[in-house]
Amino acid sequence: DAGITQSPRHKVTETGTPVTLRCHQTENHRYMYWYRQDPGHGLRLIHYSYGVKDTDKGEVSDGYSVSRSKTEDFLLTLESATSSQTSVYFCAISESWGHYGGEQYFGPGTRLTVT
Amino acid sequence: TQLLEQSPQFLSIQEGENLTVYCNSSSVFSSLQWYRQEPGEGPVLLVTVVTGGEVKKLKRLTFQFGDARKDSSLHITAAQPGDTGLYLCAGVPRGQTGANNLFFGTGTRLTVIP
Repeated sequence: DAGITQSPRHKVTETGTPVTLRCHQTENHRYMYWYRQDPGHGLRLIHYSYGVKDTDKGEVSDGYSVSRSKTEDFLLTLESATSSQTSVYFCAISESWGHYGGEQYFGPGTRLTVT
Repeated sequence: TQLLEQSPQFLSIQEGENLTVYCNSSSVFSSLQWYRQEPGEGPVLLVTVVTGGEVKKLKRLTFQFGDARKDSSLHITAAQPGDTGLYLCAGVPRGQTGANNLFFGTGTRLTVIP
């Protein structure tokens, strides 16, 4: 199994509070991703990183920010959590991307509930 | 609007039955992947198909990429309880470049009853 951990695994927070989720990898992969998973939507990309301090927006980036100060860590921050951000969040890593789809390895997920 | 639509959304069958799930789009893809996700875990890649009409087999699972590269199917023969999970297709649209070029489908949740 790829060495990817996410913390916390579960979190309940109140509307308006800031929340930071952490993804840590031991594979030294260049690319890291944050997805959210909601029923009927599959996985949707929030933000991704292609190197230390190099990040870009995904499909559903509004209300989220990210940082990557080290190869192994990728943080996702909800500046002011809203109920619509209640979801399961997955971190993924990959060595490369390509037209034939680089394999992505996923962490175990973080279940976030915003009340 | 989802780029990749999967059907059915839910499927419950008896052990030993055969089943097919579908992944459809109006767009052309350079490649399609299939992932399986078990409860409480992240998705795991099963297969990648890259050529129109390509068929790949993984034990009792058969994956096919449509001739026009707009759709894919997953057929499971003699389903077992261990096949239970969420099946996700994911594709790279033709011409899409960059690390954000993989788009996931809506998923099919399969339950195999012993």
